[in-house]
Amino acid sequence: DIQMTQSPSSLSASVGGRVTITCQASQDISNYLNWYQVKPGKAPKLLIYGASNLETGVPPTFSGSGSGTDFTFTISSLQPEDIATYYCQHYGNLPPAFGPGTKVDIK
Amino acid sequence: EVYLVDSGGGLVKPGGSLRLSCAASGFTFSSYSMNWVRQAPGKGLEWVSSISSGSGDIYYADSVKGRFTVSRDNAKNSMYLQMNSLRAEDTAVYYCARDAWDIPFLFDHWGQGTLVTVSS
Repeated sequence: DIQMTQSPSSLSASVGGRVTITCQASQDISNYLNWYQVKPGKAPKLLIYGASNLETGVPPTFSGSGSGTDFTFTISSLQPEDIATYYCQHYGNLPPAFGPGTKVDIK
Repeated sequence: EVYLVDSGGGLVKPGGSLRLSCAASGFTFSSYSMNWVRQAPGKGLEWVSSISSGSGDIYYADSVKGRFTVSRDNAKNSMYLQMNSLRAEDTAVYYCARDAWDIPFLFDHWGQGTLVTVSS
């Protein structure tokens, strides 16, 4: 099975600041990588699919890049409503697996 | 608009059973594969099970294989998860999630979740 790791596990940034999260797969997954936002009590939300494609309706302050085993997720200008935990997930084969998550809050 | 409503969670003793439901609306349910994903307290997301549009392909995580059974009723726009032989480690919020069109395991819409607590 493919294992996913993320770093950091948590971070704090200022409003308007830049946030970068990295995700690594244990083997080559091409671009089969998604990013989700999870807030307590809310339905998880797909933000980025195929490593770099912005889901419809998601603000362009969110972006993703990478391929193979190394991926990056960026929030270019952090807003209070972006406080959440972010997960990467590979979807190329069974079983699909999520990273351990990165908790983002405001400094 | 796509809506997924999870229900059926609750408190159950170890070894007990529970049946979760996911009611779908706003799209042609019979055309999409569906999934269950869970999140244990303080933990990350874990894929649990997947069922194809016509129920011909069904998959389970190793952690639930042999204990959980996924099913769907396309006439009722609903998916189910029958959970037997429940263990403390099955305690989690369970979400139903839709596959994006023709892309397995790309979860483009999720329910709000239903909490399952396994405790004596």
